[in-house]
Amino acid sequence: EPEVTQTPSHQVTQMGQEVILRCVPISNHLYFYWYRQILGQKVEFLVSFYNNEISEKSEIFDDQFSVERPDGSNFTLKIRSTKLEDSAMYFCASSEAWDRNYGYTFGSGTRLTVV
Amino acid sequence: AQTVTQSQPEMSVQEAETVTLSCTYDTSESDYYLFWYKQPPSRQMILVIRQEAYKQQNATENRFSVNFQKAAKSFSLKISDSQLGDAAMYFCAYRSAGTDKLIFGTGTRLQVFP
Repeated sequence: EPEVTQTPSHQVTQMGQEVILRCVPISNHLYFYWYRQILGQKVEFLVSFYNNEISEKSEIFDDQFSVERPDGSNFTLKIRSTKLEDSAMYFCASSEAWDRNYGYTFGSGTRLTVV
Repeated sequence: AQTVTQSQPEMSVQEAETVTLSCTYDTSESDYYLFWYKQPPSRQMILVIRQEAYKQQNATENRFSVNFQKAAKSFSLKISDSQLGDAAMYFCAYRSAGTDKLIFGTGTRLQVFP
């Protein structure tokens, strides 16, 4: 079964450093998403992306965050200057255009630890 | 703003028995979708079942079924013939039609005992 692949599975970074989280969505999917889950808290929506632009974003997704689809297969989330409170699991997801009302396929997540 | 509440932080069930996980939500909209996701120790969020609000019939997927009560804004998940592999964190989620955002509950950790 097709999968959404996220790398790395765990990343440790120093506060203030830039970090890029990578995702390879399912190949025929057109909608892409990032969510995060701070330890012990809810899974929260960050951003959705379609046709090479952001279609929706949450209040969390401030100027420190950006997304990109650099080469037609990868979908990245960049955090420009990490803070301690950015430590969380970050999940990438994707969906087909016709199916996006009916649930996404999530990756296994990247655990980001900011020290 | 829409909210999703899962009032059971933990549940347990014996293998082969049935368990029901609760979920309530709050919305003023009429067109939306509801989901149950499973998160096993592998961390991947796996879609278990989904329900369109405009459908009165409760969704079923093999051993998984929902009890969707639109007026009560309740969306519970029933797992029949529980298996050891069902042990996981279960999240209820809501999505308005016309938006990309899934709103999740806090999750229910399900343990399955042999």
